Amino acid sequence: DVKVTQSSRYLVKRTGEKVFLECVQDMDHENMFWYRQDPGLGLRLIYFSYDVKMKEKGDIPEGYSVSREKKERFSLILESASTNQTSMYLCASSLLTVNTEAFFGQGTRLTVV
Amino acid sequence: AQKITQTQPGMFVQEKEAVTLDCTYDTSDQSYGLFWYKQPSSGEMIFLIYQGSYDEQNATEGRYSLNFQKARKSANLVISASQLGDSAMYFCAMRANNQGGKLIFGQGTELSVKP
Repeated sequence: DVKVTQSSRYLVKRTGEKVFLECVQDMDHENMFWYRQDPGLGLRLIYFSYDVKMKEKGDIPEGYSVSREKKERFSLILESASTNQTSMYLCASSLLTVNTEAFFGQGTRLTVV
Repeated sequence: AQKITQTQPGMFVQEKEAVTLDCTYDTSDQSYGLFWYKQPSSGEMIFLIYQGSYDEQNATEGRYSLNFQKARKSANLVISASQLGDSAMYFCAMRANNQGGKLIFGQGTELSVKP
């Protein structure tokens, strides 16, 4: 079974803190993705990666950065958390080919106070 | 640029009836894939069905079918014989070739099945 694991289910951080969200997959997938999910806006792509040390901006990269030092791990970094980054964050992974589905982690509910 | 649009924020359907969830997309790529996911209130994302841009037949998976109209750039999900357990958010998604595997989603449709 494919497994995508996010390090935390719930997280509360203070404004201005540096926040790390970790995601690990165990299926040797080339692609990994970070999304944020907000009511009425669906899943918006923040960053994705197709290889180790490779990253591509998604639709809403501002205020975020990512790191992929190993194939199985993709980290999302909030350099200085703000209240408008309070959201559900979803990590996913997939093979690179266009005809394969992505597998998702359980999500991290981040609250910035 | 790629884009997915779901114009129905919420839908109601009577149990045992069929329902169609709309999805339109935009891409300049010729090779792409279209996906539908279900997200129940528990929050997990469940893959339902896939349609390739070169597939001539509409995809089907059990009670799910994808009404693919390439010229209109639409990929509507049809759920037949709705069940109470079908109540959930439904997301349409797309991956295009030559985009590094990029996967984008629509805004979602919340489906409520009435007994």
